[in-house]
Amino acid sequence: GAGVSQSPRYKVAKRGQDVALRCDPISGHVSLFWYQQALGQGPEFLTYFQNEAQLDKSGLPSDRFFAERPEGSVSTLKIQRTQQEDSAVYLCASSLGGQGEETQYFGPGTRLLVL
Amino acid sequence: KQEVTQIPAALSVPEGENLVLNCSFTDSAIYNLQWFRQDPGKGLTSLLLIQSSQREQTSGRLNASLDKSSGRSTLYIAASQPGDSATYLCAVYSGSARQLTFGSGTQLTVLP
Repeated sequence: GAGVSQSPRYKVAKRGQDVALRCDPISGHVSLFWYQQALGQGPEFLTYFQNEAQLDKSGLPSDRFFAERPEGSVSTLKIQRTQQEDSAVYLCASSLGGQGEETQYFGPGTRLLVL
Repeated sequence: KQEVTQIPAALSVPEGENLVLNCSFTDSAIYNLQWFRQDPGKGLTSLLLIQSSQREQTSGRLNASLDKSSGRSTLYIAASQPGDSATYLCAVYSGSARQLTFGSGTQLTVLP
């Protein structure tokens, strides 16, 4: 497809379980972003990649969160030892250029529920 | 730290009405401002992007303005339709931080 895709769309995890969320950006897009969106709030920045380089991870809430983009295309956001406060929608976005200032195209998100 | 505020949080209007959504931001050192639409359970769809050097952008029935010095933007929707019902999010891109900072959104309901 032509858009950003994310999988799984829904994930239910027991507290303490590790989860991995996948993002497939638009082909050829250099910049990739992860955001976390709590219910009723706007998305909040987590991390930014330019190709395979993670240039900004200042938004990751704790060292339980880890993101990678090893080949500069697909990215995975991993959350270790999930907590109830991790429940949110995780959005991935990509943009064409290397600075990230162009239009960002968002995926449908992964809705994570931690019980 | 950049903060983005959107007013009102929710708005309900009859079909056909023109309406304005407001967005304000605290740090005027931005590269651009984007307006997004989010439907329930869906991702975000970019509606308009205004570069910091621009004053407005138009797409169909939508017009977005930017006053960078005062830290304000408005999204004008003409002749609203029920299909416009969604949450509208404003976001600013601050180049130094290389990230979008979002407001909490305005939930719009257009009544038929």
